[in-house]
Amino acid sequence: AQSVTQLDSQVPVFEEAPVELRCNYSSSVSVYLFWYVQYPNQGLQLLLKYLSGSTLVKGINGFEAEFNKSQTSFHLRKPSVHISDTAEYFCAVSTRNTPLVFGKGTRLSVIA
Amino acid sequence: SAVISQKPSRDICQRGTSLTIQCQVDSQVTMMFWYRQQPGQSLTLIATANQGSEATYESGFVIDKFPISRPNLTFSTLTVSNLSPEDSSIYLCSVGQQVGYTFGSGTRLTVV
Repeated sequence: AQSVTQLDSQVPVFEEAPVELRCNYSSSVSVYLFWYVQYPNQGLQLLLKYLSGSTLVKGINGFEAEFNKSQTSFHLRKPSVHISDTAEYFCAVSTRNTPLVFGKGTRLSVIA
Repeated sequence: SAVISQKPSRDICQRGTSLTIQCQVDSQVTMMFWYRQQPGQSLTLIATANQGSEATYESGFVIDKFPISRPNLTFSTLTVSNLSPEDSSIYLCSVGQQVGYTFGSGTRLTVV
C-alpha cells in the first residue's frame, strides 16, 4: 500500500519569499503524484500532477514540483509567494487504478 | 476530465438520523470513491464504490454506518447513518480516470 508523509504541518513565510513544501511517499510500485490546494472553506483544487515523463512538473499559480524517485520525494516549490497563497496544501499518491492516498497536509501562511 | 455534481452542498441533521449524499458524473467512470474530511484534517478514504457489487471499505469504516450504492457508471450515493456529532465532517466523492482524479464540491455535514 502507498503512503504519504508531509514533513511540515505548518510553514510560515514572508510575502515574496520562496517556499518549499516537502512530501515523501512510500510505494513498492510506480506511482502517480499530486499536489492539491484547499483555500479556507473551499473545495480541493489540483495544483499539479506527475503521471510520467519529465520529472519537473509545472502547475497553476506559479507552483512547480520535482519527482525524485531515488529519494521518493515530490516537493512543491514557488519562487515568490503572495498573500493569496495562504491555504492548506495536500500531497497525494496513487498507483494505476487505485484511489488517492493523501498526506496530512501543510498549512502555508504567508505573512505581509 | 469528468464533471461531478454533488448534493447537498451542506446540511444540518439531528443526531440519530441519516443523511444521503448523491454524486452524479457527466460521463461513465469505472473508479468512484468516497472520502471524509474531518475538521482541520486531511482526506481519508471511506470506500471504493463498485458498480453492480458491494463497496470496498477501508479499515475503520463499515457498511452499516456508511452504506453505499452504485447502480450505474455515472451515479453513486453515500449514506451516513445513525448520526452523532463526531460525524460532522465534509464528505467528498471522487472519480479516477487516466488523466487524474476529479472531486465533487463536497457536502458539509453538521450534526446537532
